[in-house]
Amino acid sequence: SQTIHQWPATLVQPVGSPLSLECTVEGTSNPNLYWYRQAAGRGLQLLFYSVGIGQISSEVPQNLSASRPQDRQFILSSKKLLLSDSGFYLCAWSVQGNRAKTQYFGPGTRLLVL
Amino acid sequence: GENVEQHPSTLSVQEGDSAVIKCTYSDSASNYFPWYKQELGKGPQLIIDIRSNVGEKKDQRIAVTLNKTAKHFSLHITETQPEDSAVYFCAAPVSGSARQLTFGSGTQLTVLP
Repeated sequence: SQTIHQWPATLVQPVGSPLSLECTVEGTSNPNLYWYRQAAGRGLQLLFYSVGIGQISSEVPQNLSASRPQDRQFILSSKKLLLSDSGFYLCAWSVQGNRAKTQYFGPGTRLLVL
Repeated sequence: GENVEQHPSTLSVQEGDSAVIKCTYSDSASNYFPWYKQELGKGPQLIIDIRSNVGEKKDQRIAVTLNKTAKHFSLHITETQPEDSAVYFCAAPVSGSARQLTFGSGTQLTVLP
């Protein structure tokens, strides 16, 4: 069966510090990978998605970047965090294909920027 | 692109009653509609989904109905229990994309004991 991991679970960072959140998927190959941000417990905002190693599509221009160094690894980064970067960050994966597919979410990382 | 509207934003029901959450979509070509349940502090979990070739799908106390003509789909939870309390999201494919979903704004369901 497939599983998706995210770490850390919780992170408190000062404004201006760097960020690295990691997501890994097990039990599948060549998945689509996604990063979402959720503010105030509602509304899933798609930040980035990837269809393969080194292939990143950005949905919202902002202070964040994403990378996919390995097939099942997706990393969300920032060089300098802003207060507005606080939120709940969710990684998700789906199977590749031509039909719309279910996305499966990880447990999330809660980020607080002070 | 696809636009998904979800109502109501909050819903309180007595334990044992039914709950219904409705979503409307704009792209008539949309063909896949999942529903997610998100408990506090956790990631959303798929609870049921439906493709456009069927009008209804049921899984124990949960059902989803689809009206393609009116472009809306609904989540029905019968015999609600306190553990059904959570935020529920609907979703539909982004127009022209097999990779992206657009999500509704969420419904906070509270089941009162």
